[in-house]
Amino acid sequence: DAMVIQNPRYQVTQFGKPVTLSCSQTLNHNVMYWYQQKSSQAPKLLFHYYDKDFNNEADTPDNFQSRRPNTSFCFLDIRSPGLGDAAMYLCATSRDLRSYEQYFGPGTRLTVT
Amino acid sequence: QKEVEQNSGPLSVPEGAIASLNCTYSDRGSQSFFWYRQYSGKSPELIMSIYSNGDKEDGRFTAQLNKASQYVSLLIRDSQPSDSATYLCAPKGNTGFQKLVFGTGTRLLVSP
Repeated sequence: DAMVIQNPRYQVTQFGKPVTLSCSQTLNHNVMYWYQQKSSQAPKLLFHYYDKDFNNEADTPDNFQSRRPNTSFCFLDIRSPGLGDAAMYLCATSRDLRSYEQYFGPGTRLTVT
Repeated sequence: QKEVEQNSGPLSVPEGAIASLNCTYSDRGSQSFFWYRQYSGKSPELIMSIYSNGDKEDGRFTAQLNKASQYVSLLIRDSQPSDSATYLCAPKGNTGFQKLVFGTGTRLLVSP
């Protein structure tokens, strides 16, 4: 089945220790998104890739970076995680920028100790 | 004013009843509207989309849209305990790249 996969599902990192979360998709969608969702809050868009074009949201901290080496994979790098970065990180895809539907992966729960 | 407003709940209904979830939005340019269901600890799952004023039915779900009032709702008929989840409303613009703007969601509890 075509799907969005995120690894790992749970990640524990230490304060200030770089961490990378990964997302892959078999949908062959052009757009990949990263969202951050904290408890009882709405998912917040961090950035998206349209093909290789990277688009950062204005309020995304510099601490968050992303890479998309090919159509199928996208990575979220947190250079120096703080306690406030503990959250669920959601990867989503859509066929193109005007697609009405986004398909979410299962998410990665990040804990910062 | 928040871009998307939803009552956080919880909205408690007995099994078999109709659950009514409401959402208001501030961006008059929004053209597409989505309802996502999110179980605790899981990712959002798209359950309904609506683009035109009026009602759209899909099984037990009915989405209602009133663009003049900037209001969208989701009705769940014959509610089941498995419907217990948080329901996120997400409007989207229709020109260029318009990101989904999620509400904080309404938590629905369906009791057996």
